[in-house]
Amino acid sequence: NAGVTQTPKFRILKIGQSMTLQCAQDMNHNYMYWYRQDPGMGLKLIYYSVGAGITDKGEVPNGYNVSRSTTEDFPLRLELAAPSQTSVYFCASSYGGVARETQYFGPGTRLLVL
Amino acid sequence: TQLLEQSPQFLSIQEGENLTVYCNSSSVFSSLQWYRQEPGEGPVLLVTVVTGGEVKKLKRLTFQFGDARKDSSLHITAAQPGDTGLYLCAGGGGGSNYKLTFGKGTLLTVNP
Repeated sequence: NAGVTQTPKFRILKIGQSMTLQCAQDMNHNYMYWYRQDPGMGLKLIYYSVGAGITDKGEVPNGYNVSRSTTEDFPLRLELAAPSQTSVYFCASSYGGVARETQYFGPGTRLLVL
Repeated sequence: TQLLEQSPQFLSIQEGENLTVYCNSSSVFSSLQWYRQEPGEGPVLLVTVVTGGEVKKLKRLTFQFGDARKDSSLHITAAQPGDTGLYLCAGGGGGSNYKLTFGKGTLLTVNP
C-alpha cells in the first residue's frame, strides 16, 4: 500500500493564479481531510469528506474548494491564490467516523504564493 | 471553540535526559492523540488515549490522559536523537464528531 499520496511536493504560485493539490489514498478509507500547517500554529482543518460525493467545511475554508468523486481521490482547489495561502498542506484519511480513529497523513505539499 | 495548549513550545536537551511535554485544555475531550512529525513529512500517530486517568507506554514514551479528560502529558525517558521531531496533541469530540483539534506542537531537539 502506498497509503496517502500528495502531488506536487512543492509549488510556487503568483498572486491570483489557481491550482489543484492532488490527494489519493489506497486504503479504501471513507473519511478524508485537508489541513494546512503554518509555522507555530499546528494543523487547521480546511475541508473534509465522509464519503464520495459528500464534503463539508472545516475551520478555515475560505479561498478553497474541494470535490470527492471517488473514494480514493480528494483534490483541493485554490482559486485566486493569495500570500495568506502560503503554507504546508496535508491530506489525511481515516477508516472510521470517530475521532479516536487513526488519521493517516500524506507527506504534504509546500505552497509559496508570491 | 475547543483549544489545546501545548507546552513547552520548544525543547532542546542532551541525549539521555528525561522530558515531559504537556497538552492542556479547558474543554473535555472524548479522546486524545499524540502524533510525531519529522521534517518534510506528515504527522504519524503514536498513541490514542480514551479513558480518564489512562496511562499508555510505548517503549521509552509514557502517555497519560488526565482524570477529567482535559489534559495529557507525554514523558520520554532517556531521550535519543531519533526522538527529535514535532510532537502534536490532538483532541477528539464525542459521539460522531470525528474532527480533531490540534495543539500548536512542541518542537523537540535531542542533541548527541
